[in-house]
Amino acid sequence: AIQLTQSPSSLSASVGDRVTITCRASQGISSILVWCQQKPGKAPKVLIYDASNLESGVPSRFSGSGSGTDFTLTIDSLQPEDFATYYCQQLNNYPLTFGPGTKVDIK
Amino acid sequence: EVQLVESGGGLVKPGGSLRLSCAASGFTLSDYTMNWVRQAPGKGLEWVSSITSSSTYIYYADSIKGRFTISRDNAKNSLYLQMNSLRAEDAAVYYCATKRVWGQGTLVTVSS
Repeated sequence: AIQLTQSPSSLSASVGDRVTITCRASQGISSILVWCQQKPGKAPKVLIYDASNLESGVPSRFSGSGSGTDFTLTIDSLQPEDFATYYCQQLNNYPLTFGPGTKVDIK
Repeated sequence: EVQLVESGGGLVKPGGSLRLSCAASGFTLSDYTMNWVRQAPGKGLEWVSSITSSSTYIYYADSIKGRFTISRDNAKNSLYLQMNSLRAEDAAVYYCATKRVWGQGTLVTVSS
């Protein structure tokens, strides 16, 4: 199974900060990677699909990049509603796998 | 509006069975591979099973293989998960999802 590692596992940031989260796959997954956001008690919400495509309705301060084994989610100018846990997911190979998550909280 | 709505969760005794359903609206389910994903309390996301658009290919996580069965009825725009021989460790919120859309989840509790 393809393992996904995320770093950092958690971070504290302030409103307005630029935040970068990385996801590394144990083997190449082309660009078949999704980033999702989850708030407490809520379902995950897809932000980015196929590594760099912004999902409809998602603010443009979110962006994704990467291919192969290394991927990045960037949030420009962090907003109060962005404090959440972020997961990467690969859909290139079965079993599908998720990263362990990155919790973004308020500094 | 594109939406997935799960139902069928509840409290079941160890060894019991449940059937989860997922109804799609706002899009044609038959165009997509569908997935079930679960999340135990306080834990991360765990993939459970996937089924391709015409049910040609079906995949299961090792943790549930032989106990759970995924199926779909494209005519009803619906996805299902039959869960048998449930264990305490199967307790979780179960989500149905495509690559880009997730449902709101349904809670499965396994307890005597």
